[in-house]
Order: sequence, then structure tokens, then C-alpha cells
Amino acid sequence: EIVLTQSPGTLSLSPGQRATLSCRASQSVSSSYFAWYQQKPGQAPRLLIYGASSRATGIPDRFSGSGSGTDFTLTISRLEPEDFAVYYCQQYGSSPRTFGQGTKVEIK
Amino acid sequence: QVQLVQSGAEVKKPEASVKISCKASGYTFTSYYLHWVRQAPGQGLEWMGMINPNSGGTNYAQKFQGRVTMTRDTSTSTVYTELSSLRSDDTAVYYCVRAEPGSYPFDYWGQGTLVTVSS
Repeated sequence: EIVLTQSPGTLSLSPGQRATLSCRASQSVSSSYFAWYQQKPGQAPRLLIYGASSRATGIPDRFSGSGSGTDFTLTISRLEPEDFAVYYCQQYGSSPRTFGQGTKVEIK
Repeated sequence: QVQLVQSGAEVKKPEASVKISCKASGYTFTSYYLHWVRQAPGQGLEWMGMINPNSGGTNYAQKFQGRVTMTRDTSTSTVYTELSSLRSDDTAVYYCVRAEPGSYPFDYWGQGTLVTVSS
């Protein structure tokens, strides 16, 4: 099983600031099979990024993904009020599909 | 538009079973796999397994082997997951999630079904 470890656990930032979220895998993951999801309180997660760097339909370009191998990054270039949420990374190339434990982006 | 509509909240006693449904619409039911992901209160996301609605074939996470059964009804475009021998740590929101066959991300999520296990 591929274990994904996200850091930091919580990121305290102000609107307009840049957010950088990390996800490290316990073994190499093909970048084709790596995703990021956003979850707001009381809602289901939403797909943001797939294939490590491709934005899902309707996702604004302030969200970007990068990385390969065991290290992946989600960057939010300028935080908008609606971006404060929990973010999860996921690998979907092997079974079981696994998620990171999440990074909470909170308002400072 | 694609919709995954799940059944309502359940309260069960320990050792009981629960069966949750997920009705799909807005796309060809047999062309996409449906996965189940759960989230305990205040916790992260945990993949439970998936079903191929076309063949009925399943793939379960080892953790749930022997306790989970995923089925489908193609006549109503509905998938079901049944979890048996419930424990208090099965209390969670259960989501059905769509993905293309093979290694693809989860593109549509159901609204979630809260299952509470309590004596």
C-alpha cells in the first residue's frame, strides 16, 4: 500500500497570500495517477488536480499542481476567501487507492 | 448533468449490518466504475473498494474484505454497499464516487450518507 504523508497539517494564511501544500509518497507514484481534492465543511470533496498538474473542469488557474516520483505539490497562487478548506492528495494508480491525511488551510 | 444520489442517514447497533444505495444519473451507468470512500468524524478519506457496474466485478480494500459487499442493479442505475458486523469505529460518512475504468481520478461524488453505530 502506498502511504501518502501531507505537510503541513495546518497552514494559516491571509487572503491574497500564496499557499504551498506538500504530499510525499512512501514509494514512487506515476505522475499520471496523482490527484488533489478540496473539501469544505459539510461537503463532499471536489477534484481539483489530476495527472499531478492538470486542472479539473471549472477549477481556476490560481490552483496548480506539480511533482513527480515521491514528492508532489499543490500551489494556490493567491488565496481567495473560498479557498480556505481541507486539501487531500491521492494516488489512483494502484490498489488500494490511498489518500493523504489532509492539510487544512485556515484564515490567519 | 451527472448526479450520484445516496440514501439517507442510518443509525445501527453494533454487530448489525447497513446497506447504502447510490443512484446514478446523467451518464451511461455501465461506462464508469463506482467507488466507495468513507470519512470518520473529523478524519480523512478512506477508500473501501469499487464495483464495475458493467460486469458486477468488485475490488475491495483488504481492511474490509469479508465485511463489505458491493452490488449493482443496472435496471435502476443503482449501486449498493453493505457493511456487516458494524463497530463504533465504522461511524462515518460514506460516499459513492465515480471514476473512469482503470486508473482515473474520482470526478463526481455523491452527497454522502452518515452511518452512526451506537448501542
